[in-house]
Amino acid sequence: GESVGLHLPTLSVQEGDNSIINCAYSNSASDYFIWYKQESGKGPQFIIDIRSNMDKRQGQRVTVLLNKTVKHLSLQIAATQPGDSAVYFCAENRTGAGGTSYGKLTFGQGTILTVHP
Amino acid sequence: DVKVTQSSRYLVKRTGEKVFLECVQDMDHENMFWYRQDPGLGLRLIYFSYDVKMKEKGDIPEGYSVSREKKERFSLILESASTNQTSMYLCASNVGPQETQYFGPGTRLLVL
Repeated sequence: GESVGLHLPTLSVQEGDNSIINCAYSNSASDYFIWYKQESGKGPQFIIDIRSNMDKRQGQRVTVLLNKTVKHLSLQIAATQPGDSAVYFCAENRTGAGGTSYGKLTFGQGTILTVHP
Repeated sequence: DVKVTQSSRYLVKRTGEKVFLECVQDMDHENMFWYRQDPGLGLRLIYFSYDVKMKEKGDIPEGYSVSREKKERFSLILESASTNQTSMYLCASNVGPQETQYFGPGTRLLVL
């Protein structure tokens, strides 16, 4: 089956550094991708999304890059802060029978980001 | 802001009990989802609903059922709880395809 994976399970950075979290996907038909942040004991929180007709999208301190040629997604966090410490998940939409997806997502395993003061 | 709420943050149940987990969203979303999250396995889809009284199985529906009698409410039912259903359960909703899923805070269920 199709899957979404992450290159690294953990990432440690110093406060103020830029962080890059990577994600590989295998379903070339996926047309929508989301990054979530999950803090301990909480549900995943939406960070940023990108559609397949784009290759870059920027938010506040975050940028998502999409490379459809190699099926790779990345999340860049600028000037990482201790409050950014969390697990980060990428997710792709899933197309079901007849092309319907209802917005179902396939999630990666997650990357643990630790920011040291 | 979208708000998805779950009835309990923590639950402790005994093997064989019937367990109800409730989820409510206040944004008139069409689609609602139930996931379980386990260390090393990520989020796995149990069931989802795309309309009132409509439901479809996700990746791991065995041992679970769902109910959606009203648009804003989606219930997950463990007919006879087992220890391997100890997990974090997350509810989510969205307005449609290519739209973000918004998650509730989760219910951590322990089955003894």
